[in-house]
Amino acid sequence: GDSVTQMEGPVTLSEEAFLTINCTYTATGYPSLFWYVQYPGEGLQLLLKATKADDKGSNKGFEATYRKETTSFHLEKGSVQVSDSAVYFCALTSNTNAGKSTFGDGTTLTVKP
Amino acid sequence: GAVVSQHPSWVICKSGTSVKIECRSLDFQATTMFWYRQFPKQSLMLMATSNEGSKATYEQGVEKDKFLINHASLTLSTLTVTSAHPEDSSFYICSVRTGPETQYFGPGTRLLVL
Repeated sequence: GDSVTQMEGPVTLSEEAFLTINCTYTATGYPSLFWYVQYPGEGLQLLLKATKADDKGSNKGFEATYRKETTSFHLEKGSVQVSDSAVYFCALTSNTNAGKSTFGDGTTLTVKP
Repeated sequence: GAVVSQHPSWVICKSGTSVKIECRSLDFQATTMFWYRQFPKQSLMLMATSNEGSKATYEQGVEKDKFLINHASLTLSTLTVTSAHPEDSSFYICSVRTGPETQYFGPGTRLLVL
């Protein structure tokens, strides 16, 4: 079945540091890949997505590139802010699984001033 | 994207009672909604797919008599936790499917069963 493995946290960075959160996946078919962000006590918000190989998703300074050869979708940001502190989930949706999504376990990011 | 609301945002109930959680799609006609459960510091677990006008499809291991889902209109799906027990305490999140691969999430409902 489909699975998503993401970097274990928690991750603690200083403001303006570079962020990478690794995500790899296994899936049948041709999945679409997503990063979601969850702030404390809230639901998930879509951060960015990529629907085919070599696509780059970007939003609010975050980027991730769909790498089919390495089955990866690593999240990066060049300079994090305190307001980026949240839990980040990597996810995939496979067209062979009735449109259901599979989520990674989440990575907690804390950015200190 | 779709705007999704949930009500209540949090609820405390006594063991043995039933609790109903509403998920509303405010600006999108949702034929499909998903219900998830999230334990503290863990990922989302898909419980069921809610289909407008038909029975919900439950994931393996989820008791359909325990977690009743009704999707009577294109804007509302409800999840009723029947005879709730402390182990049902969790964060319940719904989402609205707007396309083959796109969903928008509600803000979640925190349930505490005493």
